[in-house]
Amino acid sequence: QSALTQPRSVSGSPGQSVTLSCTGTNSDVGGYNYVSWYQQHPGRAPKLMIYDVDKRPSGVPNRFSGSKSGNTASLTISGLQADDEADFYCSSYAGSYFYVFGTGTKVTVL
Amino acid sequence: QVQLVQSGSELKNPGASVKVSCKAFGYTFSNSAINWVRQAPGQGLEWMGWINSNTGNPTYAQGFTGRFVFSLDTSVSTAYLQISSLKAEDTALYYCSRDPPSGWHFDYWGQGTLVTVSS
Repeated sequence: QSALTQPRSVSGSPGQSVTLSCTGTNSDVGGYNYVSWYQQHPGRAPKLMIYDVDKRPSGVPNRFSGSKSGNTASLTISGLQADDEADFYCSSYAGSYFYVFGTGTKVTVL
Repeated sequence: QVQLVQSGSELKNPGASVKVSCKAFGYTFSNSAINWVRQAPGQGLEWMGWINSNTGNPTYAQGFTGRFVFSLDTSVSTAYLQISSLKAEDTALYYCSRDPPSGWHFDYWGQGTLVTVSS
C-alpha cells in the first residue's frame, strides 16, 4: 500500500483560505468515504480534524472543512489563523481493515 | 474522558527488544480497536497495524511483520507493541490511537513513545 500523495507545503496569510489535497487510488480514497485529516503541531500527537470525508468532531472549528472528488480528497482551512500553522496528514481506509496515511503537508501562516 | 497514556521513552542497543504500553481510560476497552503508528524523526505518519481489543486478533501493515507484535492485557485496559531485534532505523516515535466503534478513523491518540536505538 503506497502512501497517499499530499503537497509538501502550503502557505497563506492570516484570514485567507488554503486547500490541501490528498490523492490516492480507487483502492483507498476513491473506494471509500472514510477519509480523515489530522493536525500535528511540533512535538505533539496528531489531532483528528475531519473524518468520513467531511464530518467535524466536536470542538473542531467550522473553519475546517473536507470534501472528496474521485481519488482526491481535500481539506480547506478558511480564515487562516496563526495557530493553524502545523503539519496536516490525510488518511484513508484501504479495505480489508487496512489504512494508509498521506505524506503530509506543512501549512505555513505568512 | 477518553485518554490513551503511553509508557516513557526507551533507549535500546541494536539487537535488543522493547515493549511499549498504551493504557486506555474513559471508555470500554474492548469496544474499540487500538492502532499503532510510527513517525521516524522528521518524517510522516506510517500506519503499522491494529489489534482487535475484543478478540486480540492483530493485523500488521506491510513492512511490520515478523519483528513487530501487538498484544493486549484486557484486565488493565492496556495494549502493547513489542519490537524485537531492534535496528537503528526503528528509532522513531510510536503512537497508539483508538479506532472508535463503527468508525474508520483515529479519534484519540496517545502522547507517543520515543524509542531510540543506538549503541
